[in-house]
Amino acid sequence: GQSLEQPSEVTAVEGAIVQINCTYQTSGFYGLSWYQQHDGGAPTFLSYNALDGLEETGRFSSFLSRSDSYGYLLLQELQMKDSASYFCAVRDRKGGGNKLTFGTGTQLKVEL
Amino acid sequence: GAVVSQHPSRVICKSGTSVKIECRSLDFQATTMFWYRQFPKQSLMLMATSNEGSKATYEQGVEKDKFLINHASLTLSTLTVTSAHPEDSSFYICSVPQSIQETQYFGPGTRLLVL
Repeated sequence: GQSLEQPSEVTAVEGAIVQINCTYQTSGFYGLSWYQQHDGGAPTFLSYNALDGLEETGRFSSFLSRSDSYGYLLLQELQMKDSASYFCAVRDRKGGGNKLTFGTGTQLKVEL
Repeated sequence: GAVVSQHPSRVICKSGTSVKIECRSLDFQATTMFWYRQFPKQSLMLMATSNEGSKATYEQGVEKDKFLINHASLTLSTLTVTSAHPEDSSFYICSVPQSIQETQYFGPGTRLLVL
């Protein structure tokens, strides 16, 4: 089966850098995505990695190592508005690559 | 602006009644939509895949007769929770996959409370 593990909570101060890790088990891996969800809101897409390496989008970067079944989301210059839940999600051959399986989620708290 | 809308955003109903939730793709046609359920402080769990012109496919453990899905058009999918019970109280979210399938656009969600 599929499983994705993330730390349940991370706390950091404003302006700092934080890394949220994701380890996964799946078959026929296509790619790893990251989503942000504020309380009561919809998940919003942050990044996607299909190949090994680092993808940078502004303050957010995402890394993937397929050989290690591991990825992380890196948030720089943290702001209070970054306080939210962050989910990794895998696309794999289940369902022909259309479906996403979400990780357990990491609640990020940004403090002053 | 919003790519996917859901209606209603919040609903409270009595136990035993049925509730219909609509999901609309606003910017593009969608032959596939996904329905998720999320309990407080938990992850999103895929319930079913809504397919335009054919039956929905349900994930293991999801009762198809309880959660009726109809993909009425290329822009509309509905989820009906039949004979709702308090344990069905949850946050229901739909999503529409982007054409190249790297991402999904999520609706704002519907919070269901069954008394």
